[in-house]
Amino acid sequence: ETGVTQSPTHLIKTRGQQVTLRCSSQSGHNTVSWYQQALGQGPQFIFQYYREEENGRGNFPPRFSGLQFPNYSSELNVNALELDDSALYLCASSLSGDRGATNEKLFFGSGTQLSVL
Amino acid sequence: DQQVKQNSPSLSVQEGRISILNCDYTNSMFDYFLWYKKYPAEGPTFLISISSIKDKNEDGRFTVFLNKSAKHLSLHIVPSQPGDSAVYFCAASVIRSNLFFGTGTRLTVIP
Repeated sequence: ETGVTQSPTHLIKTRGQQVTLRCSSQSGHNTVSWYQQALGQGPQFIFQYYREEENGRGNFPPRFSGLQFPNYSSELNVNALELDDSALYLCASSLSGDRGATNEKLFFGSGTQLSVL
Repeated sequence: DQQVKQNSPSLSVQEGRISILNCDYTNSMFDYFLWYKKYPAEGPTFLISISSIKDKNEDGRFTVFLNKSAKHLSLHIVPSQPGDSAVYFCAASVIRSNLFFGTGTRLTVIP
């Protein structure tokens, strides 16, 4: 059973650029969530994808967007990067049933550390 | 506005003693609570959870207590081991919605 893997592990971008972060869910998991963890803070919910559709969004602007693919892997895209976007971005997968996405037990990847200069 | 708060950024405990990590929340709609443990350079790992219909849940050395009237939960680790040294995050949700995390408590277990 493979765990949640994220790529790249580290990334440096400049202000105004665009970035794509990737996540491969744990085998069999159909739900993926993205969280942003700023230095000294807890993870903050960005959005969740369930069955390839967005299923909830936190307090993040539209320049944060995502995709979930049929194989349940996922991307997080951030446009027009700002200095405050510097953070650890965590992907988490879970197995949801037919009644809808669940957050009862998330499995997290190790994250992508994004630095915006 | 921080809906889940961990007011102690750090805690040091002697090996073999009890570690008690505390968490407070403000949203009375929360009905599911979790603790995650995070080692450096790794993602958070699920530790233990509790539903609001219970006031205690135990798993080996780890016990979570929930006091709904006080909007407070705590994680007890007995006995504490050096391998327990990590950052512990408290999280809460309304079932099937996203998690709200606290800012974490760094636990150091001294051999």
